[in-house]
Amino acid sequence: DAKTTQPNSMESNEEEPVHLPCNHSTISGTDYIHWYRQLPSQGPEYVIHGLTSNVNNRMASLAIAEDRKSSTLILHRATLRDAAVYYCILSLLLNFGNEKLTFGTGTRLTIIP
Amino acid sequence: NAGVTQTPKFQVLKTGQSMTLQCAQDMNHEYMSWYRQDPGMGLRLIHYSVGAGITDQGEVPNGYNVSRSTTEDFPLRLLSAAPSQTSVYFCASTIRLAGGAGELFFGEGSRLTVL
Repeated sequence: DAKTTQPNSMESNEEEPVHLPCNHSTISGTDYIHWYRQLPSQGPEYVIHGLTSNVNNRMASLAIAEDRKSSTLILHRATLRDAAVYYCILSLLLNFGNEKLTFGTGTRLTIIP
Repeated sequence: NAGVTQTPKFQVLKTGQSMTLQCAQDMNHEYMSWYRQDPGMGLRLIHYSVGAGITDQGEVPNGYNVSRSTTEDFPLRLLSAAPSQTSVYFCASTIRLAGGAGELFFGEGSRLTVL
């Protein structure tokens, strides 16, 4: 399975943008790039995903490098509620078209008031 | 919106005891999975199911059994609990998104301690 590399931790000031990097140099052409986050004492929740093009949704933006070997999750204006562990994950297609996600250890994001 | 419901939220077992972690989803998703999360580590896939009657092993299946008799339910069984199975367990169901990717919906987790 292709692996991802993320910094163990990052800090950011409240109300400022946050750029969370992820390296995935062994990504294959069919792997989607997913981001999930896990708030304290909760299960992970979906943030965003993409294949080749940059993506935006109400939570964040995903910038994907042209060679797809790295990506960056962008939180445009961090709030205290964004403090969480952020996981960058590549999907592995299974039988029947379903995917298996392999979670790494993620980046622990701390927001400073 | 119930989503994915896990029970119990907390459980303490003695070594050798058996138990079942329950997972139910009301979103009619075909794909469901079980993960465990140990301190300082990411989630590791235990078992998954692509539909009623179909299950398969994930990354760390030893010591766990699953079955999928209905679309809604996907229980995880520990036949003879060991201290190494002390962990937080998460159940998830997956919806297919446009373009072919999937989005996982997770339950709140079940914290299991084996003494």
